[in-house]
Amino acid sequence: NAGVTQTPKFQVLKTGQSMTLQCAQDMNHEYMSWYRQDPGMGLRLIHYSVGAGITDQGEVPNGYNVSRSTTEDFPLRLLSAAPSQTSVYFCASSYSVSGGRTEAFFGQGTRLTVV
Amino acid sequence: GENVEQHPSTLSVQEGDSAVIKCTYSDSASNYFPWYKQELGKRPQLIIDIRSNVGEKKDQRIAVTLNKTAKHFSLHITETQPEDSAVYFCAASRTYGGATNKLIFGTGTLLAVQP
Repeated sequence: NAGVTQTPKFQVLKTGQSMTLQCAQDMNHEYMSWYRQDPGMGLRLIHYSVGAGITDQGEVPNGYNVSRSTTEDFPLRLLSAAPSQTSVYFCASSYSVSGGRTEAFFGQGTRLTVV
Repeated sequence: GENVEQHPSTLSVQEGDSAVIKCTYSDSASNYFPWYKQELGKRPQLIIDIRSNVGEKKDQRIAVTLNKTAKHFSLHITETQPEDSAVYFCAASRTYGGATNKLIFGTGTLLAVQP
């Protein structure tokens, strides 16, 4: 049971390039989300999904796309990278338990630098 | 949408002292309030959570209190130890049938415990 796996761990992009950050979970969790972490800004929600085929925008969605074709995978696409997207990106998943704890499990993060 | 404010941004205490971190939220429909700890270079991990039908919850040296009327909640750490040094995040969300929806985080508190 690997939990939440993100790839790559580190990435350097040139302005204007596109790329996909991968996220996979093997816990059969319904809910998955992407956050970016910047100094002094905390964790800001980019996009989230409540199940396969369903996605919605978070607090800072501009410049990012997501899709959820399977329960396990939730990739984040940067369409045209900009220096403002330099950040650490975290994927998280959680499950629904009626009346119980709904802990979000985070991946190890992807440190992205856009030059 | 939900907005979560967290104070202070940095907190330095002597080993053995208590530490208190405070958060306020804006959405009166929020009913789930977790706290996450993030050690340097690692992923955030849940340390304690509270639901809106409970006013206080304890787990060994940590406790969380919730004031729904004032829309604020706090993390209390007693008998602090150097290993408590980390960044702490509060968060808020609505849950439906147990599933966490749009977990919104505060900006984080860097806690330093001086030996």
